Amino acid sequence: NSKVIQTPRYLVKGQGQKAKMRCIPEKGHPVVFWYQQNKNNEFKFLINFQNQEVLQQIDMTEKRFSAECPSNSPCSLEIQSSEAGDSALYLCASSLPRLYAEQFFGPGTRLTVL
Amino acid sequence: QQKVQQSPESLSVPEGGMASLNCTSSDRNFQYFWWYRQHSGEGPKALMSIFSDGDKKEGRFTAHLNKASLHVSLHIRDSQPSDSALYFCAAPYGSSGNKLIFGIGTLLSVKP
Repeated sequence: NSKVIQTPRYLVKGQGQKAKMRCIPEKGHPVVFWYQQNKNNEFKFLINFQNQEVLQQIDMTEKRFSAECPSNSPCSLEIQSSEAGDSALYLCASSLPRLYAEQFFGPGTRLTVL
Repeated sequence: QQKVQQSPESLSVPEGGMASLNCTSSDRNFQYFWWYRQHSGEGPKALMSIFSDGDKKEGRFTAHLNKASLHVSLHIRDSQPSDSALYFCAAPYGSSGNKLIFGIGTLLSVKP
């Protein structure tokens, strides 16, 4: 059973709408990752945090995506203006702050942009 | 472009049979590899990691790494229908060594 909790499991938005998804990492894991898995099963790293600080993010995330991991609240990933190409499974993972640490994934949020 | 290639794309084995999955890296900076499994409707779950040349066995699963050829394989003996899933090879990369780059996956089907 996944110990990383993601909500909602399914999200349907129209083009141009905001889409927001949340993640509660596994207890004791200060490092959080967001990945996008498309319909061809290709994974794309989006952003990662350690505690509340952004470690790395890709250009796409800097422009239309915003993410945060506030203290004592769920982490979130928000797409400001959804596009059809954003339809994908968004996976949150958490890990210990160790080199090559195992990442524990949640079940994902399936976003469909109509 | 850093890449991790996987083969075959799909594989069907009979229950009790051996499944062999392959992964090749194009970047010699990749020194550590994970195998993840993803069942339908779930997120990926780590099966095992390997970073030393040779074999690593965990139960029915054996991973093999050849650093010279950058080839990693996963062998599943006594395959069970519950092993039917997508299998991904992944390598940590980046300055913190923690972002994962995934292969395209192998869809394994174990027939009863």
